Amino acid sequence: AQSVAQPEDQVNVAEGNPLTVKCTYSVSGNPYLFWYVQYPNRGLQFLLKYITGDNLVKGSYGFEAEFNKSQTSFHLKKPSALVSDSALYFCAVRDIRGGFKTIFGAGTRLFVKA
Amino acid sequence: DTAVSQTPKYLVTQMGNDKSIKCEQNLGHDTMYWYKQDSKKFLKIMFSYNNKELIINETVPNRFSPKSPDKAHLNLHINSLELGDSAVYFCASSQSRAGDTGELFFGEGSRLTVL
Repeated sequence: AQSVAQPEDQVNVAEGNPLTVKCTYSVSGNPYLFWYVQYPNRGLQFLLKYITGDNLVKGSYGFEAEFNKSQTSFHLKKPSALVSDSALYFCAVRDIRGGFKTIFGAGTRLFVKA
Repeated sequence: DTAVSQTPKYLVTQMGNDKSIKCEQNLGHDTMYWYKQDSKKFLKIMFSYNNKELIINETVPNRFSPKSPDKAHLNLHINSLELGDSAVYFCASSQSRAGDTGELFFGEGSRLTVL
């Protein structure tokens, strides 16, 4: 069965500092991995995905994520945080053999302080 | 134009009532979903339709009945509402043909409050 773990409920970082939001996954086959962001009272927005190829993928708003197969991790990163990055971030996995089901982690709240 | 739109945005109702939420997508996607987000922000898939065919039906009480009249629409009807049904319900869509990676496009959510 697929599963996703986000070990941190909240990440606090000062504006201008680098940020990392952690994610580990478990699937029986090769995964499609995603990050989504949710701003207050809004729907989730797609940020980036890993399908195959280069382990470092770049996405919207300057975010990037690093896929590490041996550690089954897909951490979200940004070199310089902005106050406007403060939001709820979800890691998600889709088993490419599993059809249409995308499973989400519990979410990590990112708080960027000015 | 809104890509995935849900109505209504807010629902407040009494226990025991029946309510419906409607969803439409104009992205030309072939797969639509209902997700439930609880008060702790945890997201759980409920149903998915691919080209009007039910393909995912998670462990959901049979008081919840989805219906997809065409691949651009997915509705959710809830009978005999209970307090525990209070949540935000998100509609989403994706393209799921062979070779598609299936990222989801979400609506803005429908917040259901059962009193």
